Amino acid sequence: KQEVTQIPAALSVPEGENLVLNCSFTDSAIYNLQWFRQDPGKGLTSLLLIQSSQREQTSGRLNASLDKSSGRSTLYIAASQPGDSATYLCAVTSGGYNKLIFGAGTRLAVHP
Amino acid sequence: DAGITQSPRHKVTETGTPVTLRCHQTENHRYMYWYRQDPGHGLRLIHYSYGVKDTDKGEVSDGYSVSRSKTEDFLLTLESATSSQTSVYFCAISEYGTGVDEQFFGPGTRLTVL
Repeated sequence: KQEVTQIPAALSVPEGENLVLNCSFTDSAIYNLQWFRQDPGKGLTSLLLIQSSQREQTSGRLNASLDKSSGRSTLYIAASQPGDSATYLCAVTSGGYNKLIFGAGTRLAVHP
Repeated sequence: DAGITQSPRHKVTETGTPVTLRCHQTENHRYMYWYRQDPGHGLRLIHYSYGVKDTDKGEVSDGYSVSRSKTEDFLLTLESATSSQTSVYFCAISEYGTGVDEQFFGPGTRLTVL
């Protein structure tokens, strides 16, 4: 059974720091991996999707990497800002039909 | 933002009553999903649909049923609500298999079962 783990569960950093969020999964037979952002009381916003054949994707200050063989992905946030404060969720597809298996998330606080 | 709406956005109901949540999309995406989000569990898949009248169970389907009579609407029904079904419910859509595999999520429905 696929399991997704995100470390750390919570992170507090000063503004301007570069930071790395980690995601690991137990079964390397994934179709893709998606990173989401969730603000308190809100829905999920898709940040980046990495296909299993890809190694990384970039969008602005965000860079996500995928090492399928080791079951790991990282989300790199450059020059963090208070507006980046949110919960970041990692999810992998499992079992066809693009069904997502989620990690529990990393709650990020960026303070001025 | 993807055109996904959920209704109602908030609902309080009593144990044993039936509840139906609606997800409506304007993107004409083939795949639709219902997830629930609970503290300590993250999001878990309840049911999904891969076309009109084509649905299947997810990880936590007990106590839930779904229907999809039109491409744009995916209904989630709790036949007899229980307190363990108190949760936030999210609908998602995707065009899996077309090269655009991202899932896009609706705003969620907060359901409280007393």
